[in-house]
Amino acid sequence: AAGVIQSPRHLIKEKRETATLKCYPIPRHDTVYWYQQGPGQDPQFLISFYEKMQSDKGSIPDRFSAQQFSDYHSELNMSSLELGDSALYFCASSAPLSSQYFGPGTRLTVL
Amino acid sequence: GENVEQHPSTLSVQEGDSAVIKCTYSDSASNYFPWYKQELGKRPQLIIDIRSNVGEKKDQRIAVTLNKTAKHFSLHITETQPEDSAVYFCAASIGYAGYGGSQGNLIFGKGTKLSVKP
Repeated sequence: AAGVIQSPRHLIKEKRETATLKCYPIPRHDTVYWYQQGPGQDPQFLISFYEKMQSDKGSIPDRFSAQQFSDYHSELNMSSLELGDSALYFCASSAPLSSQYFGPGTRLTVL
Repeated sequence: GENVEQHPSTLSVQEGDSAVIKCTYSDSASNYFPWYKQELGKRPQLIIDIRSNVGEKKDQRIAVTLNKTAKHFSLHITETQPEDSAVYFCAASIGYAGYGGSQGNLIFGKGTKLSVKP
């Protein structure tokens, strides 16, 4: 079965640089979620989109923005990167009232 | 907002024993409670979930129980095996019927590191 696809899988950036993470949800899933997971931490909700409209917002820094495109893929844009932004970033998708399935994640390292 | 507490933080059992992980939630509007298993550096993998209109659900060696009145839910793993060793997260969310039934974001517990010794 098709799964959530994320790219890139690994990303290394310098402080103050920008990064773009991409997510391709499972076909026919209408909701996309972004989570951030620091080392030894639980996943923290950042933002979600339902049918290409922002549906909920969590602890997403103002330096981050996201959008969902007409083909349902989503991008998380991160600017002015800080050391503390180093984490695993997961995208998840769900169909109406169904479970959330996570992608393999993007490991971001900020040097 | 919703707050999910999970206990214990670490759990060590012998192979073949049972393991129980407990979670409590604060928001009575939460109506969906999944459990995820996560191995180091990998994605959270859904292992079982339960909705608020059900009190118990079982899938082979895994079962989840929900007590809406007490606002707590538990994961039960029987006949544990070494490959069950991982971090387990409980979570809670609210389904938004108004958004065509889309599922709300997940609020996770802090996780339980389960070690199954051969």
